[in-house]
Amino acid sequence: GESVGLHLPTLSVQEGDNSIINCAYSNSASDYFIWYKQESGKGPQFIIDIRSNMDKRQGQRVTVLLNKTVKHLSLQIAATQPGDSAVYFCAEGDRISNFGNEKLTFGTGTRLTIIP
Amino acid sequence: EAQVTQNPRYLITVTGKKLTVTCSQNMNHEYMSWYRQDPGLGLRQIYYSMNVEVTDKGDVPEGYKVSRKEKRNFPLILESPSPNQTSLYFCASSLGFTRAEKLFFGSGTQLSVL
Repeated sequence: GESVGLHLPTLSVQEGDNSIINCAYSNSASDYFIWYKQESGKGPQFIIDIRSNMDKRQGQRVTVLLNKTVKHLSLQIAATQPGDSAVYFCAEGDRISNFGNEKLTFGTGTRLTIIP
Repeated sequence: EAQVTQNPRYLITVTGKKLTVTCSQNMNHEYMSWYRQDPGLGLRQIYYSMNVEVTDKGDVPEGYKVSRKEKRNFPLILESPSPNQTSLYFCASSLGFTRAEKLFFGSGTQLSVL
């Protein structure tokens, strides 16, 4: 799976199947995690986020799972559609100051290709 | 429509010729930021701003300047561009000034420095 700082180029999934994109993070102090989707020629688009006090969060057709023990994050996309083809980035957030502003560290992305 | 607008979309320039990439958001967001995206390196933060007249360096600020004179605008300035600044640039904004969460990104500016 993807690791923040390492690159997993592609994942191909049959249309209608479920997709799982993985992400490993290294900073045990990170308390916020977020997934973005980037379609060709566009900027990243927010999908879903999760705080470290949770281990699962669901959105519309997407679920994010957080395993703090092994520092692993995953994005599950149910019943994939052609429009899900994109690059998916995970990012981890860590407070860097007393003001609470957060530094986000992005992974290099996983390219998801949906096979018709 | 809520959006972050960057201009230009594509830019080819030569080494040393000053340029500015504009960024504007219409969501009254406090937080704005610039990132560059390079193959194999992901998104790296250049500068960010938590409010008007408040800016700070990100991970890769060398060779860049920013300003935040108005809440909606956050231009990125390259005083003397060099070929290693050839990259895809994204401006982003967020409602919360304390957190870079749920960033809204612009469509990107592809810069080539010859």
